[in-house]
Amino acid sequence: QTVVTQEPSLTVSPGGTVTLTCASSTGPVTSGYYTNWFQQKPGQAPRALIYSTSNKHSWTPARFSGSLLGGKAALTLSGVQPEDEADYYCLVYYGGGQVFGGGTKLTVL
Amino acid sequence: QVQLQESGPGLVKPSQTLSLTCTVSGGSINSGSYYWSWIRQPAGEGLEWIGRIYTSGSTNYNPSLKSRATISADTSKNRFSLKLSSVTAADTAVYYCARVHCPGDCYYDYWGQGTLVSVSS
Repeated sequence: QTVVTQEPSLTVSPGGTVTLTCASSTGPVTSGYYTNWFQQKPGQAPRALIYSTSNKHSWTPARFSGSLLGGKAALTLSGVQPEDEADYYCLVYYGGGQVFGGGTKLTVL
Repeated sequence: QVQLQESGPGLVKPSQTLSLTCTVSGGSINSGSYYWSWIRQPAGEGLEWIGRIYTSGSTNYNPSLKSRATISADTSKNRFSLKLSSVTAADTAVYYCARVHCPGDCYYDYWGQGTLVSVSS
C-alpha cells in the first residue's frame, strides 16, 4: 500500500515564506505523478490549488506555487496571509488510483 | 454553475451497507471530459480516496477497502452512488463526492459539501 507523507504541522509568520512537501513511499515524486494540492479550512470541503505539479487554477492566489524539490512534490507559499491558515493535502496519482498525503496543518502566527 | 450534493442515511449499523448518492446539477455526468470520485474524511483526520467512475462505467477503487466499495452511475437521473459493505466504526466519516476534469491534466474542480455518516448500533 502506497503511503504519501507530508509534514504534520508547520508554522509561518505573516508575510513569510513556507514550503510544504509531499513524499512517496514508492520513491521520488516526478511530474508523472501529476501531484495535486488542496487547501481545507474547518468545516469546508477541500479546495483545489495546484494540479499536475505546478499548474494553478484560475482561482489560485499568485502567492501559491507548486514544484518538485529533492524528489518530493512541494507547495510554496510566498507572502503568507492570515487567511492561509488551513490544512493542506497533496494527492498523487498512481496508475489507476490516487493517494492523499496525511496533510499539513499550517499555522500563521 | 455545477453543484454536487451528497445524500443518504446519516447512521448505519455495523456490518450493514452504507449507501450514498451524489446528485449533480449544472452539468451532465455523461460528459466524457470528467470522471466522478468519492473521498472520505474521519473526524480530525486526513482525506482518503475511495474510488472513481468514468462515463464509460469503468471504475477504480482504493485497494485498502478490500473490495467493499462499489461505485455506480445513473445517467438518467444525473447522479452517481457509493455502496460500502460490511461497515465498521472505522468507516465513520464525512463522505465527499467530487468531479474531476480529465483527460490530459486531471484536476478536481467541484466538490459536494460532504455528508457525515456514522456507523453505530
